[in-house]
This record gives sequence, C-alpha cells and structure tokens, in this order.
Amino acid sequence: QSVLTQPPSVSGAPGQRVTISCTGSSSNIGTGYDVHWYQQLPGTAPKLLIYDNTNRPSGVPDRFSGSKSGTSASLAITGLQAEDEADYYCQSYDSRLSGSVFGGGTKLTVL
Amino acid sequence: QVQLRESGPGLVKPSQTLFLTCTVSGDSISSGDHYWSWIRQPAGKGLEWIGRGYTSGTTNYNPSLTSRVTISVDTSKNQFFLKLTSVTAADTAVYYCARDEIGYGKCFDPWGQGTLVTVSS
Repeated sequence: QSVLTQPPSVSGAPGQRVTISCTGSSSNIGTGYDVHWYQQLPGTAPKLLIYDNTNRPSGVPDRFSGSKSGTSASLAITGLQAEDEADYYCQSYDSRLSGSVFGGGTKLTVL
Repeated sequence: QVQLRESGPGLVKPSQTLFLTCTVSGDSISSGDHYWSWIRQPAGKGLEWIGRGYTSGTTNYNPSLTSRVTISVDTSKNQFFLKLTSVTAADTAVYYCARDEIGYGKCFDPWGQGTLVTVSS
C-alpha cells in the first residue's frame, strides 16, 4: 500500500480533459513538501512531467498542468491524445519515513 | 544532455548480493550539485525509492531496505553504485538510477533506461 494514494485507472476520449488525484497526509503533502509527476509510457523509464507542484520541464506540452491543495495534489491533462496513454505517478517526501515516496500509479486509457 | 545508464548482472541467486553500477555522462558527480538515487519497479507494480548518495559519502535510505542497502559514489569514474544484500524473489524488479536535486522530496530527473534484475536459483 502506497503512502500517496492515486486512482488505479482513469479514462477519457480524445480531446477531453481528465484529472488524476494524489492524496497524502500531514506527514508528506500536508507538511508542504512539493509534489512531482511522472509519465511512464509502456516499456520505458518514467519521465518528469511536472515538478514542484505546478512547473513543466522544457518540452512538456501545456496540456499538462499540476496543482496542490492541503494534503492532495492533482494532474490535469486537457485535449487528450492517444499518445498520452501511459502510467502516471506522483512523488513527494514523507517526514515520518524520512524519504521520497511515490503514489501507486494511475493508468490512463484514451478511449 | 545528461544521461544515466545502469549496468550489472541480470540474474542473481537468492541470498546473494546484487550490485549495480550507474554511469553518468553530461554532468559531473563531483560538482556536488545533485544527489544520485536508485529506484526500483517490480513487474506490473509501482515505483519504490531505494535510496541516494552524495559526493561527500552522505547517504539516505528507504527505511524498509536500510539494513540491506549500500549506495556509494566514485567521482573519479563518474559512477555510483547500489549494493543490496540477502536478496529474495521479492527483489526482482527493474532498477533505475536517477539524478536527484539537493534537498528533501525533490524531483528525479533524468532517469536511466532501467535494468531488469531477476532473483532466481
């Protein structure tokens, strides 16, 4: 069981908007630690998608956006495309465990 | 462009020691600007942070693995290493190395392509 909770799966049609939640607690996201998001395409290594809650690395389309509030964070993807079909992971730091922690991952299916 | 590449044996026997190397190019480990981390992913499952090392020898480990893990850094070769002792089938996974920002809970970027390690007799 992961310290950060994500829905196992989400889906949407091309062009639609989907959101993926990442729920933590007072020992991680709620303390103020940043949340980061990764995209893992099938058979490849995870790639940084959003860092420090809301920032996109160079090259990541602005269709991807992140937000954080209280003990949770969210990743939003607008204008869904077939190439967005992947697993998405959130990551933060947990002060009780004294280390980085990941969510269990969410599989995005583009219908 | 910073690149990381994992290397090591793909098969380890139960109770033996797993040893992996991550070779860094495009950045200097000795600069002290980053930590260097190991992360693993069992087949079909999520990501697990194993730990990280720094040029000074400072390390941080996942509490669930700390009794079996050692991460070290060789600045002369621009490499860092993972040693995991007393492995079992539960340690079978794809192992990734990644660059980690200074501080707590910073992002991992970039990642290596990963190397599959199977624990089996």
